[in-house]
This record gives sequence, C-alpha cells and structure tokens, in this order.
Amino acid sequence: GAGVSQTPSNKVTEKGKYVELRCDPISGHTALYWYRQSLGQGPEFLIYFQGTGAADDSGLPNDRFFAVRPEGSVSTLKIQRTERGDSAVYLCASSFGEMGEQFFGPGTRLTVL
Amino acid sequence: DAKTTQPPSMDCAEGRAANLPCNHSTISGNEYVYWYRQIHSQGPQYIIHGLKNNETNEMASLIITEDRKSSTLILPHATLRDTAVYYCIVRVAFKIEAAGNKLTFGGGTRVLVKP
Repeated sequence: GAGVSQTPSNKVTEKGKYVELRCDPISGHTALYWYRQSLGQGPEFLIYFQGTGAADDSGLPNDRFFAVRPEGSVSTLKIQRTERGDSAVYLCASSFGEMGEQFFGPGTRLTVL
Repeated sequence: DAKTTQPPSMDCAEGRAANLPCNHSTISGNEYVYWYRQIHSQGPQYIIHGLKNNETNEMASLIITEDRKSSTLILPHATLRDTAVYYCIVRVAFKIEAAGNKLTFGGGTRVLVKP
C-alpha cells in the first residue's frame, strides 16, 4: 500500500519568504507527527496531531512555525519569515493510534538562502 | 534530551552478524525500547521494539538485559543494504500525557557494512 508521502521533495526559498510543506499520511492513520532533521543529527520532534487537533506542539521552535490538519488526514507545516537556520529536512510520520509504530515519509529538504 | 547512549559508528562485514549496543540506564518501568534505522536520504524506518522480553522479527532480534538498562540489536546476516544510521529510543509504553507519544532521537550509530 501507499506509504507516507511528502511534497515537495525539495524546496529552495529566500530568507524572509513563507513556505508550506505538505504531508499525506497513510490512509486510516489517526496520529500524525512532524520532525525536523538538521545535517548530521537525529530527527527532532516538532508537533503531534491526534485527529484534527494538535495534541502536543511543544517542539515548535517559535511562533513562525505553525501546522494544521483540518480534516484529520493531510497536514501542512507552515513557516513564516524563513531564516537560514530553518534549513533542514522536515519529516512527517503517521501511526494508527497514539502509540502505534510510526511510519515516516521521505522528507522535504528545505533550503533557505 | 535523549535517554540513550550509542557508539557513534561501527563497521560490520557483509554476511556476518551485526551487534549494536545501546545503554538506557535511566529507563522507567513503563518505557519500551524502540529501534529505528535511517538509510541515506530516506526517512527513519521502524525495526523492532520490546519492553523486557527478547524480541525477534524478520529484520532483527532485540536482546534486553534483565535489569533493562541496556539492549543489543542484532542483524543476523548483515547486507550492504543494512548500511544506515541506527537509532535506539526509549518511549512510554502507555499514554500518561500527550508528550509521551513522540520519539526522541539521539545521535544513533552509523553502521557501515563492508563487502
């Protein structure tokens, strides 16, 4: 079956611009997670959705970052006024239920020039 | 902060068993040990998890010490495709609060399988 998909696979933007990153979870998975991975490091948690609501957004670094999941399926991570330090691979994962095994997408590589 | 300690890198010969250690001396009674791996340019992939008993699946075996303070992931016959970064993660076994659902990755072990 189809796994987690993320679009775009690569995004290059200029400092100060707004970007949106999309995640399509596995069909039927109720839980969705966003992580960020900087070069040479392990992924870091950003936000977790159970259904439509953000159950834990403690990993969002500041108020420039926001994520939505309006219908409990597709999620969009939004970054305002991008900074060079936002450059990283943004990973999405989904699971069936809150404690289920997490399946990861291939990630979106964001480069802020 | 990550609650596990792993060696930063290790080499393994193709066809031989790869034994990846992980120290989790502060693990709580309600925490599982999870293993994920990340092949270059891909997202992490689930391998196996366990609470206190040894576990085996088609990918690997997980050996957890009796005191649960350390574990070993065993890849029985390493292939070149097993070259990846392997992450050992502790995670709550049941929900206490929402924050317990996330995975906390450390630096992992970079495993290079050589022909």
